This record gives sequence, structure tokens and C-alpha cells, in this order.
Amino acid sequence: AQSVTQLDSQVPVFEEAPVELRCNYSSSVSVYLFWYVQYPNQGLQLLLKYLSGSTLVKGINGFEAEFNKSQTSFHLRKPSVHISDTAEYFCAVTRSGQAGTALIFGKGTTLSVSS
Amino acid sequence: DTGVSQDPRHKITKRGQNVTFRCDPISEHNRLYWYRQTLGQGPEFLTYFQNEAQLEKSRLLSDRFSAERPKGSFSTLEIQRTEQGDSAMYLCASSPVGSGSTDTQYFGPGTRLTVL
Repeated sequence: AQSVTQLDSQVPVFEEAPVELRCNYSSSVSVYLFWYVQYPNQGLQLLLKYLSGSTLVKGINGFEAEFNKSQTSFHLRKPSVHISDTAEYFCAVTRSGQAGTALIFGKGTTLSVSS
Repeated sequence: DTGVSQDPRHKITKRGQNVTFRCDPISEHNRLYWYRQTLGQGPEFLTYFQNEAQLEKSRLLSDRFSAERPKGSFSTLEIQRTEQGDSAMYLCASSPVGSGSTDTQYFGPGTRLTVL
């Protein structure tokens, strides 16, 4: 079975500062990794995904994440945040090589950007 | 591509009543998923369809819950005899058949259920 731990439940940051949201996962098999963002009262929007290949993955809205297999981590980063990045961010994992499997989500990290 | 849609967006009901939610996936996506998200938590998997076949159900899906996808297009999720613990956001996602086994899920806006 897979599990996901998001190490910070809340991350407050000032506008234009860099940010890192941390995600560790546990799995006995190979996995795919995802970051989703959820704005208030909305569904989840895919930010980026790691399937294979380069361990540095670039996504939408200037976000990127790095897959580290030895540390079983997939941390999300942005060099300069905006007020509009305020949202809930979820890291998720699914078993690779097997289509139609459920996403396992972390509990989420609330990113609060202030001016 | 109009995205995944869900109806209704909000539902308030009294304990013991039955409710039904609808999900319309992205056109030609043959895989459809239901998740439940409670306050302060990440989404939790409920069930999965490939075309009209329900292939996987979570232990969270008690016998009061039933999901269907009769023609392999839209899906419904029914909760019978609702309880206050059923209050949550119910999310639907769909994914396409792609090469290999890549299975990126695209989510709808959710249906927020409040049981009084």
C-alpha cells in the first residue's frame, strides 16, 4: 500500500518570497506522483506530475517539483509566490504500471500568501 | 473539452433522507472515479469505473452507498438513509485511455453535502 505525508499543514509566506511545500511518500512499488491545487469551494486542479524520466518536473503557474527516490520525497517549489497562489495543495501518489488505480492523497498544505 | 461537471454543487438534506449526485466526465474518458473529502483532509477514494463496469470499491463505501455508470458515460452516486457523518465534499474525476498506463485524473468541482 502507498501513503503520503505532507510535512506542513500550514505555510504562511509573504508575496514574492520563495516557497517549498514538502511531501514524503511510502510505497513498496514504483509510483507516479502528483501535486494538485484546490481553491476555496472548488475541485482539484492538476499542477504537475512525475511519471518517469527527469526528476525535475515543471508545472503550471510557475511551480516545479523534484522527485527524490532515495529520500522518497516530491517537494513542490516556487521561486516567487503571488497572492493568487493562496490555496490548499495536495500531494498524491498512485501505483505505476497499473492503470485505473486510486490516487492516495496527503492531508494537504494550506499556503497563505500575504502582502 | 468542457471538463468534468457535477450536479448539484450543493445539497442540504435531513438525516435519514436519500440523496443522489451526478457526474459527467470529460468526453471520451472511459475511467471515472468518486472520492470523498471531509474538512481538513485530502480526498479519499470511494469507487472506480472503467466504462460501465465498477471495478473497485473502497471499504469506505458502506452498503448505504451505491454508484452506477449505466451507459459508460455519466455516473450517479446515491447515499441512502444519510447520516451526519456523510457530510463532505464528493468529488468526481475522470481519466482517458492513454498509451501505456498513464492515468492522470481530472477532477470536477465537487458536490458539497450537508446532512442536518
